[in-house]
Amino acid sequence: SQKIEQNSEALNIQEGKTATLTCNYTNYSPAYLQWYRQDPGRGPVFLLLIRENEKEKRKERLKVTFDTTLKQSLFHITASQPADSATYLCALDPTNTGGFKTIFGAGTRLFVKA
Amino acid sequence: EAQVTQNPRYLITVTGKKLTVTCSQNMNHEYMSWYRQDPGLGLRQIYYSMNVEVTDKGDVPEGYKVSRKEKRNFPLILESPSPNQTSLYFCASSPQGSGANVLTFGAGSRLTVL
Repeated sequence: SQKIEQNSEALNIQEGKTATLTCNYTNYSPAYLQWYRQDPGRGPVFLLLIRENEKEKRKERLKVTFDTTLKQSLFHITASQPADSATYLCALDPTNTGGFKTIFGAGTRLFVKA
Repeated sequence: EAQVTQNPRYLITVTGKKLTVTCSQNMNHEYMSWYRQDPGLGLRQIYYSMNVEVTDKGDVPEGYKVSRKEKRNFPLILESPSPNQTSLYFCASSPQGSGANVLTFGAGSRLTVL
């Protein structure tokens, strides 16, 4: 069956270190993949989008990679801060028909300790 | 401020009592969608709308209805709520035509059905 997998275990890291979160998908060939941040009790907020012809995308301390052969995206936060503590969701459009049916992974909770 | 507004934010109701969760966006977006979020399952799409009077089912539409009579509003209707519809609901919107569906989410509506 088609699905997106994110590590369900929380990731605990020390402030200043690089956090790396993984998103794996099966049976899809998405044209792009997105990452969102969600804080407790709030709606997800868009962070980055990477297309299938892009290997890497950066935005400030964030970096996303997209390996269509491995069917995997990695999300990195460098020089992490306690304010980066949140749940991070990956998302893709399984039908490649304009994103009308965007699906999400269950998310990985990140805790950054001061 | 560009935003998606949902109401109510919190609601406790009883089985069978019809309720409506409203969603309004002020960004002139064509696309709107409803998701529910449950622990361990992530966000699952209920319904979406590509424009006024155009709606379609997502992955979990059973027990829900929607309408899109105006571009800015996309209410979610539970005609006869049941306890398995207890969940956190999110409305989202996006502009179309970009080839990628970057979603702006509302703050969420937490519904409890007793």
